[in-house]
Amino acid sequence: GAGVSQSPSNKVTEKGKDVELRCDPISGHTALYWYRQSLGQGLEFLIYFQGNSAPDKSGLPSDRFSAERTGGSVSTLTIQRTQQEDSAVYLCASSLDTGGGSPLHFGNGTRLTVT
Amino acid sequence: EDQVTQSPEALRLQEGESSSLNCSYTVSGLRGLFWYRQDPGKGPEFLFTLYSAGEEKEKERLKATLTKKESFLHITAPKPEDSATYLCAVQAISDYKLSFGAGTTVTVRA
Repeated sequence: GAGVSQSPSNKVTEKGKDVELRCDPISGHTALYWYRQSLGQGLEFLIYFQGNSAPDKSGLPSDRFSAERTGGSVSTLTIQRTQQEDSAVYLCASSLDTGGGSPLHFGNGTRLTVT
Repeated sequence: EDQVTQSPEALRLQEGESSSLNCSYTVSGLRGLFWYRQDPGKGPEFLFTLYSAGEEKEKERLKATLTKKESFLHITAPKPEDSATYLCAVQAISDYKLSFGAGTTVTVRA
């Protein structure tokens, strides 16, 4: 596609349920990022991938959060046993590379609401 | 740790009233400073990358400048369609991620 695609666009779930958020990056982009944006807050870095590898997972808030990337393309962010504080917009971005100063191109995000 | 502070938090302008947004940063070796525009319900949209002090970039009514400690985004003769939240981010030489400021929300009234 022409841009980064995320699904679903909105997700409402009950506390304690697991959720999966999907990101389809721009074709040919080797780097993929997940960020979280809470109401009125800045973007919080979660994790990045270079190819299928995630060299640094230190931005993930807890062990309930995990992410994977397959085929150097699609990525899935999984949140287990969701809590109300997980409610936020989860943004995915892709880039041509990780360290060359290339800009990140963002999708429109998944708005997660935990009730 | 990289730090990015944007000011003001909010800016209300009359159409045609030029103004500037500030982004102050602390980073251990700057690889690039990025400006993004974000509309409600959308992801951030890339505007500019600045790499070294003294560099300037322009796009329509927007002009971004960079010093060793801060960047400015100048909006000249804004129009209502320039209303958005403007985000500043830095990438360190030794890093891969972008660290973002909290943004400046600009409202332009006709």
